[in-house]
Amino acid sequence: SQQGEEDPQALSIQEGENATMNCSYKTSINNLQWYRQNSGRGLVHLILIRSNEREKHSGRLRVTLDTSKKSSSLLITASRAADTASYFCATASGAGSYQLTFGKGTKLSVIP
Amino acid sequence: GAGVSQSPSNKVTEKGKDVELRCDPISGHTALYWYRQRLGQGLEFLIYFQGNSAPDKSGLPSDRFSAERTGESVSTLTIQRTQQEDSAVYLCASSLGPQVYGYTFGSGTRLTVV
Repeated sequence: SQQGEEDPQALSIQEGENATMNCSYKTSINNLQWYRQNSGRGLVHLILIRSNEREKHSGRLRVTLDTSKKSSSLLITASRAADTASYFCATASGAGSYQLTFGKGTKLSVIP
Repeated sequence: GAGVSQSPSNKVTEKGKDVELRCDPISGHTALYWYRQRLGQGLEFLIYFQGNSAPDKSGLPSDRFSAERTGESVSTLTIQRTQQEDSAVYLCASSLGPQVYGYTFGSGTRLTVV
């Protein structure tokens, strides 16, 4: 079953604009991660935020986590055409936290 | 190696044939995972290895699916008597240990059953 659900399913923006994607989940987590996937192949790990953290930055990426609402958001600032990809959130929960449960992803298109 | 390597990158097989997919994780990564991704969908967990043992096989969809890992390195995922619904991209990932700090994924094997 899907733990994380991303919103929106698809997002189209102009280059230079900011892109915001949201993720909701159902059960308590140890951490939440965001991944990027190009062309339906391998995923690239972008950022991990732990359950006791509220915000994290990495370059043009900003992730927030609200455990009371069981939601997270990924903000990409000053988007570029090369940011075009699908973005997935994944949650780690339970003993050992080894299994990541992925959502269906947000497909981002950045128009030059 | 520098990254997670999967082979073949593409596989077309006839319904009813067996296929074997291979994953070479990053050297030193004790944890290895297999996921399946159907077209336009998220990732579906199949199996997790810690070393050479598989404490969690709960995601394997049927007894036609099996996986093994040897030498705390290479893993193979075998699908017997393939069906059309097995068509998907099969992704392998590895990480430093059972505590998840971010997976490194391979590029996947795109399996098409005709």
